[in-house]
Amino acid sequence: KAGVTQTPRYLIKTRGQQVTLSCSPISGHRSVSWYQQTPGQGLQFLFEYFSETQRNKGNFPGRFSGRQFSNSRSEMNVSTLELGDSALYLCASSSFQGTQETQYFGPGTRLLVL
Amino acid sequence: AQSVSQHNHHVILSEAASLELGCNYSYGGTVNLFWYVQYPGQHLQLLLKYFSGDPLVKGIKGFEAEFIKSKFSFNLRKPSVQWSDTAEYFCAVLGGSYIPTFGRGTSLIVHP
Repeated sequence: KAGVTQTPRYLIKTRGQQVTLSCSPISGHRSVSWYQQTPGQGLQFLFEYFSETQRNKGNFPGRFSGRQFSNSRSEMNVSTLELGDSALYLCASSSFQGTQETQYFGPGTRLLVL
Repeated sequence: AQSVSQHNHHVILSEAASLELGCNYSYGGTVNLFWYVQYPGQHLQLLLKYFSGDPLVKGIKGFEAEFIKSKFSFNLRKPSVQWSDTAEYFCAVLGGSYIPTFGRGTSLIVHP
């Protein structure tokens, strides 16, 4: 079974630009979560999607948005990039069976904003 | 607001030593608790989780964690570490907001 894939793996943008990151979950997983990882702030939750609906959103400005498609693939978009948006963006897909959850992370997209 | 504190930022052990990584959280309600591990060059992965029931949770690779509600703690333990346990370990809490909060992580180095 293929793992969680994220594209692109590396990205360099300049301030003010926008960026779209993609995440393909494990087949059959309907939940996709996004996280930001930086040396300064650590791991922070961005949002979670389940069956094309955003279920939860972390404490990030409206410049950060996302969506999920009918095939469970998800994209996140960051508009008007700032230097502080430089980070590793992680995606995770989850499946639930009763109270049992399995969660798998992708390799991440490393974004550098210049 | 919920928060997580991992007191040990860096831990260095010799192989076969016992490990205990501290994790304390602040949240007054029902919580779900997690430990994640990130091995060098590998993806972040879920090590173990507590939702309810037995407060002693066993995870992969011989790790376990104990939820002590009175102490707001969820410490990670392993009786005998191996060189391959060298990694970054993150504790996380999920409270009523359903937004997970992560600790800053503990870097574990195990000397062979």
